[in-house]
Amino acid sequence: DAGVTQSPTHLIKTRGQQVTLRCSPISGHKSVSWYQQVLGQGPQFIFQYYEKEERGRGNFPDRFSARQFPNYSSELNVNALLLGDSALYLCASTVRTGEAYEQYFGPGTRLTVT
Amino acid sequence: DAKTTQPPSMDCAEGRAANLPCNHSTISGNEYVYWYRQIHSQGPQYIIHGLKNNETNEMASLIITEDRKSSTLILPHATLRDTAVYYCIVRHFRDDKIIFGKGTRLHILP
Repeated sequence: DAGVTQSPTHLIKTRGQQVTLRCSPISGHKSVSWYQQVLGQGPQFIFQYYEKEERGRGNFPDRFSARQFPNYSSELNVNALLLGDSALYLCASTVRTGEAYEQYFGPGTRLTVT
Repeated sequence: DAKTTQPPSMDCAEGRAANLPCNHSTISGNEYVYWYRQIHSQGPQYIIHGLKNNETNEMASLIITEDRKSSTLILPHATLRDTAVYYCIVRHFRDDKIIFGKGTRLHILP
């Protein structure tokens, strides 16, 4: 089975621009989460979506938004890009196994803002 | 904030067992201990999780102390491919969100 896929792999944008990142979860997984990882830090939670509904949001400004589609794929949008938005953006899909939830991460999208 | 404390870095000789410690003194009764690792510039990879019993899978073993305030991840025969940042995470079993700390950077020495 294919794992979590993300596109594009790398992206370079200019300050003030907008960017859209895409994620396809593992087949059968209905929940998608987004994380931001700046260099030298652990990933930070941005959003979680389940069945197209937002279930959780981390401490990120309103410039960050996301949505989930009927096929459970997801997009993360970031408006008015700042230099500090340069990071690896990770998508994870979640499945329930027994009583616990398991998350599987994609390879990430490397965003560079210049 | 992350509920765990890990050493920032560790070295281990290739072929030896790598023992990665984690302190989680404020863990509550319904929280699991999870371990993930992240190889350079890749997404985090799930390794193992446990509640109070020791666990073993094809990748590693997880030893949790009786009081559950600390745990150790054991990679029995470390290889160069095990060089990565290892994250110890505490979370409720129904909590989808993962709170990452800074992890332990494990260097496997040839």
